Amino acid sequence: QKEVEQDPGPLSVPEGAIVSLNCTYSNSAFQYFMWYRQYSRKGPELLMYTYSSGNKEDGRFTAQVDKSSKYISLFIRDSQPSDSATYLCAMKAIQGAQKLVFGQGTRLTINP
Amino acid sequence: NAGVTQTPKFRVLKTGQSMTLLCAQDMNHEYMYWYRQDPGMGLRLIHYSVGEGTTAKGEVPDGYNVSRLKKQNFLLGLESAAPSQTSVYFCASSYEGQTYTFGSGTRLTVV
Repeated sequence: QKEVEQDPGPLSVPEGAIVSLNCTYSNSAFQYFMWYRQYSRKGPELLMYTYSSGNKEDGRFTAQVDKSSKYISLFIRDSQPSDSATYLCAMKAIQGAQKLVFGQGTRLTINP
Repeated sequence: NAGVTQTPKFRVLKTGQSMTLLCAQDMNHEYMYWYRQDPGMGLRLIHYSVGEGTTAKGEVPDGYNVSRLKKQNFLLGLESAAPSQTSVYFCASSYEGQTYTFGSGTRLTVV
């Protein structure tokens, strides 16, 4: 069983829809949770960063962490064609050199 | 403001050939990482470094070697390339091991 599970999709939705992307994990020591966005043929770029449980909002993006269920989500409101990309969740237990553990990534397409 | 720069961007190797991938960062980050990305497998850590002169093995280190002689550079070597090493390779750096900055990747094909 992988430490982090993410539905690879692909996910295709119409422009303006609310998108929900999710990851589950098995390591209860994870405390730092991130979402990276990766456009085709580019490197991942950090989109959202959350410590411990709760919600964080940045414009059209909201990240949620539920540590009791070992479940994290990324919501995209008013989705745009420019949001079409692969979204990777990532998490780690403590600061320092401990490596990030990535999900497989979900490929998202927003149709005009 | 280059961030993380990877060279080359593309390469085709024959089985058994060797090559070195170069990663350079200009953010004075201590931590650097090499990942490979394959379809359905996500990002897998090959090797990483927590500072100049240090290296450590990641999840899939076999067939690769690394060096960090200068803080800003992290080299990934393939001594004898195999078709299983066909992949997209990403370098990343980090200030304190939290958020990572990634390069744009090197697409390697081994035939």
